[in-house]
Amino acid sequence: DVKVTQSSRYLVKRTGEKVFLECVQDMDHENMFWYRQDPGLGLRLIYFSYDVKMKEKGDIPEGYSVSREKKERFSLILESASTNQTSMYLCASSLGQQETQYFGPGTRLLVL
Amino acid sequence: GENVEQHPSTLSVQEGDSAVIKCTYSDSASNYFPWYKQELGKRPQLIIDIRSNVGEKKDQRIAVTLNKTAKHFSLHITETQPEDSAFYFCAARVGNFNKFYFGSGTKLNVKP
Repeated sequence: DVKVTQSSRYLVKRTGEKVFLECVQDMDHENMFWYRQDPGLGLRLIYFSYDVKMKEKGDIPEGYSVSREKKERFSLILESASTNQTSMYLCASSLGQQETQYFGPGTRLLVL
Repeated sequence: GENVEQHPSTLSVQEGDSAVIKCTYSDSASNYFPWYKQELGKRPQLIIDIRSNVGEKKDQRIAVTLNKTAKHFSLHITETQPEDSAFYFCAARVGNFNKFYFGSGTKLNVKP
């Protein structure tokens, strides 16, 4: 059974803080994704990665960066958190060209 | 890019009735359409999917239909049960890359 875990379920940060969200998958998946989920907007892709040290911008990369130093771990970084980054962040992974994405439980981030 | 619209945003049905959620997409190159169920506080789970070379797929009480000409696909849940109450969202994949565009979601409430 695929397992995708995220470092925190809930996080409260202050404006301007640097925030790290971590995602780990245990199924040797090549592809990893970071989304944010907002009411009325659905999931929007922030960044994705097809391989170690490889990253591609999604649809809303502004204000975010990512790191993939190891295959199983994909980190999302908010360099200077802002209130409009308050959201639910979901990580996902998938294997090769297979379509099925497996999601993590999500991190609900509140930026004050 | 692709644009996926989902309706309705909320749906309330009586237990035993059917529920239908519809998504439309804009890019005719979209070829894979998954549906996810997300229970409160839990991760999204794939419940059914359909590829562009198929018109309908069924799995017990859940079915998905695809109309490529009209560019819409629908989730059908028959004999709804209270445990079907959840947030449902659709997605479309363009081409062979694992990049998805998501609908804004539907909150389904099944009343006992």
